[in-house]
Amino acid sequence: KQEVTQIPAALSVPEGENLVLNCSFTDSAIYNLQWFRQDPGKGLTSLLLIQSSQREQTSGRLNASLDKSSGRSTLYIAASQPGDSATYLCAVPTGANSKLTFGKGITLSVRP
Amino acid sequence: NAGVMQNPRHLVRRRGQEARLRCSPMKGHSHVYWYRQLPEEGLKFMVYLQKENIIDESGMPKERFSAEFPKEGPSILRIQQVVRGDSAAYFCASSPSQGATGELFFGEGSRLTVL
Repeated sequence: KQEVTQIPAALSVPEGENLVLNCSFTDSAIYNLQWFRQDPGKGLTSLLLIQSSQREQTSGRLNASLDKSSGRSTLYIAASQPGDSATYLCAVPTGANSKLTFGKGITLSVRP
Repeated sequence: NAGVMQNPRHLVRRRGQEARLRCSPMKGHSHVYWYRQLPEEGLKFMVYLQKENIIDESGMPKERFSAEFPKEGPSILRIQQVVRGDSAAYFCASSPSQGATGELFFGEGSRLTVL
């Protein structure tokens, strides 16, 4: 059974800091890994999707890496801003039908 | 290009009533997924549907819950005889393709409160 873990559950950093959010999964036989952002009371916004054949993906100040063999992914946020404050979730597909197994998320607070 | 549309955004029901949550996938997407997010818990898969077919309902509670995705119209998640434990955010996601390589796009969610 696939399990996805995100530690710590919460993180508070000063504005401008570069930071890394971690995600680990138990079954390395994944097709891809997806990072989402969720603002309070809102839905999920897809940030980055990394296919299993890729090592990393970049979008603006965000960079996500994937190491299947070790069952880990990281989301790197450069020069963090207060607007980056949100909960960040990682998810991997389980089985052949794209149903995702989610971590519980990391709630990030960027202090001005 | 509108995203995944869910309504209602907020729904209040008394115990024993029925709740109906609707989801219109993104244009061109024929695969719909429902997830539930309980307070202090992560998102849990409930059901995966294609037009007129339930493909995987392994995450659905055995009783009171049902889902459909008719040929015309939105997908509907129906909860009969709601209980307080059903209070949660219910999210719909859609994908243009089948299989594990597809990217999922989520709606804003429907937040059910059972009094």
